[in-house]
Amino acid sequence: GIQVEQSPPDLILQEGANSTLRCNFSDSVNNLQWFHQNPWGQLINLFYIPSGTKQNGRLSATTVATERYSLLYISSSQTTDSGVYFCAVEQWSSNTGKLIFGQGTTLQVKP
Amino acid sequence: DAGVTQSPTHLIKTRGQHVTLRCSPISGHKSVSWYQQVLGQGPQFIFQYYEKEERGRGNFPDRFSARQFPNYSSELNVNALLLGDSALYLCASSIQDEQYFGPGTRLTVT
Repeated sequence: GIQVEQSPPDLILQEGANSTLRCNFSDSVNNLQWFHQNPWGQLINLFYIPSGTKQNGRLSATTVATERYSLLYISSSQTTDSGVYFCAVEQWSSNTGKLIFGQGTTLQVKP
Repeated sequence: DAGVTQSPTHLIKTRGQHVTLRCSPISGHKSVSWYQQVLGQGPQFIFQYYEKEERGRGNFPDRFSARQFPNYSSELNVNALLLGDSALYLCASSIQDEQYFGPGTRLTVT
């Protein structure tokens, strides 16, 4: 099955710093989503981005489907950005709605 | 609009017991998926239902079952609970490909 790898596994930033999170996947996909999991476990949708570039405030994401990777950019980080960021993909041939999640990047933003 | 809702929020069960978790999708969404997340890992796919039919099943034993009702809500049932079933159980609904998650049910098996 498809493999999803996220890097870095852990990231510590000072408030105001910028960061880039990466997601590599091993096969073609028809769905790629980025999520932020808060301390209570809720998965918050950040982007649905199987290809292309999107921006939402201080966050932006780019997926290069032909090269099988996606990047999540966080600018001017705030303490509320802390938490775990997950990339999840559905394999192109799947047709089951099965999202495969990476192991996540744990972000800590210090004041 | 209300998001995906799940009940109960927390649950404590004893080994060997049975548990039923419930999920209501976002209005208009016909597809519901279930995921299990153990501590320190990403969520793992259990099932997806679309229009009351099972569309996909993950690598979970037959002790796990689910169903979807005419109003598109769903139940996840787990029989003969094991300690290893302790996890956060997440439900997601979708209208096309993008999935939206509920707050989860935290199950502890003692």
